[in-house]
Amino acid sequence: NAGVMQNPRHLVRRRGQEARLRCSPMKGHSHVYWYRQLPEEGLKFMVYLQKENIIDESGMPKERFSAEFPKEGPSILRIQQVVRGDSAAYFCASSQQGNNSPLHFGNGTRLTVT
Amino acid sequence: EDKVVQSPLSLVVHEGDTVTLNCSYEVTNFRSLLWYKQEKKAPTFLFMLTSSGIEKKSGRLSSILDKKELFSILNITATQTGDSAVYLCAVESGTGTASKLTFGTGTRLQVTL
Repeated sequence: NAGVMQNPRHLVRRRGQEARLRCSPMKGHSHVYWYRQLPEEGLKFMVYLQKENIIDESGMPKERFSAEFPKEGPSILRIQQVVRGDSAAYFCASSQQGNNSPLHFGNGTRLTVT
Repeated sequence: EDKVVQSPLSLVVHEGDTVTLNCSYEVTNFRSLLWYKQEKKAPTFLFMLTSSGIEKKSGRLSSILDKKELFSILNITATQTGDSAVYLCAVESGTGTASKLTFGTGTRLQVTL
């Protein structure tokens, strides 16, 4: 299966803990995007990365959230000191070229903060 | 701020009916419009539209874009229960390498027997 792989599928954290979400893009894709989906809301853009570069992080909260896409290994979305409002489904998507090429989504990580 | 609005928010139809889903947008530096189908998990890609007036078809699904009036429609003919899902419209915008997708909130379609 060469699709976008996200793990874990479900993640439960207590308030104040850290959450790490991982995403391996499709083979041959070097552009990664993270989206957040809150209940009854559309997908909200968070960050766009290429290998070792953050291209656009305009949708990411300035505090507690960070993302990376290292030369080797998966892309990581990190949320420090999680709060209840961080509970959501986080989707990763990848594309081959970035512009004018469709995104392919992973199955998402559902984060629950208790 | 870029905006994508989908209508209706939800729809219930009988199997065999034809449905039309709407998507209107206001964005700066439009590049393309995409339709996705989201069931329980990941959105799956349906269509990408970049040119006005050219219909894209895939089986019972078709879509067309009007760049003058800033909207797109997704048609599903002879609906089946397996078409039940949330249909998401997204618009890609930006210049150079800095493009992004703005999603609508989706249309929830339920097809009943």
